[in-house]
Amino acid sequence: DGGITQSPKYLFRKEGQNVTLSCEQNLNHDAMYWYRQDPGQGLRLIYYSQIVNDFQKGDIAEGYSVSREKKESFPLTVTSAQKNPTAFYLCASRKERGLSTDTQYFGPGTRLTVL
Amino acid sequence: GESVGLHLPTLSVQEGDNSIINCAYSNSASDYFIWYKQESGKGPQFIIDIRSNMDKRQGQRVTVLLNKTVKHLSLQIAATQPGDSAVYFCAENFQGGSNYKLTFGKGTLLTVNP
Repeated sequence: DGGITQSPKYLFRKEGQNVTLSCEQNLNHDAMYWYRQDPGQGLRLIYYSQIVNDFQKGDIAEGYSVSREKKESFPLTVTSAQKNPTAFYLCASRKERGLSTDTQYFGPGTRLTVL
Repeated sequence: GESVGLHLPTLSVQEGDNSIINCAYSNSASDYFIWYKQESGKGPQFIIDIRSNMDKRQGQRVTVLLNKTVKHLSLQIAATQPGDSAVYFCAENFQGGSNYKLTFGKGTLLTVNP
């Protein structure tokens, strides 16, 4: 998992509640990403941040929010507006924000289940 | 564990055989490709990467081949071991504007029989 930690590993939420997933990296990477993984589907990008205090929507940002106040941290909030939040959430980071041929590394993931 | 293997193409091999996993990518302008391995309930693990100016790259027991003419990528695993059992997926980078985004394939489930 290369210095990227996600917590908690499992998370249960009641409908209508917001919940925040943690992602921390000690790799001194500039860019960080949040993906959602559903069975039988490829990873889908929720949000990404190329630099502190800046982030962009990915392909499925509705119902999610993020912040990037520190280089090491990129928390994801799953809001009650997200209609189908049960999924496996993956955080990733990459060293150079402007270099296209730079590898992206993943954290261990958080499994969110809405009860 | 995570049911990421549902509805995925599957490849079943005997221990010691070589495995070949294929991936068709979508964008002819993609300039960088990565293969990941994902075990059940875990995050994807980097295996090997290749740039578009290369046709082949070798690692330890793994080789990636890139055919830009037909937009095809393959991962070859030599002497496959039970520990290689996992979902393998490719990712392509298309640098649209100044942003770097990876697009991921759905993956192939590799099962190694002892």
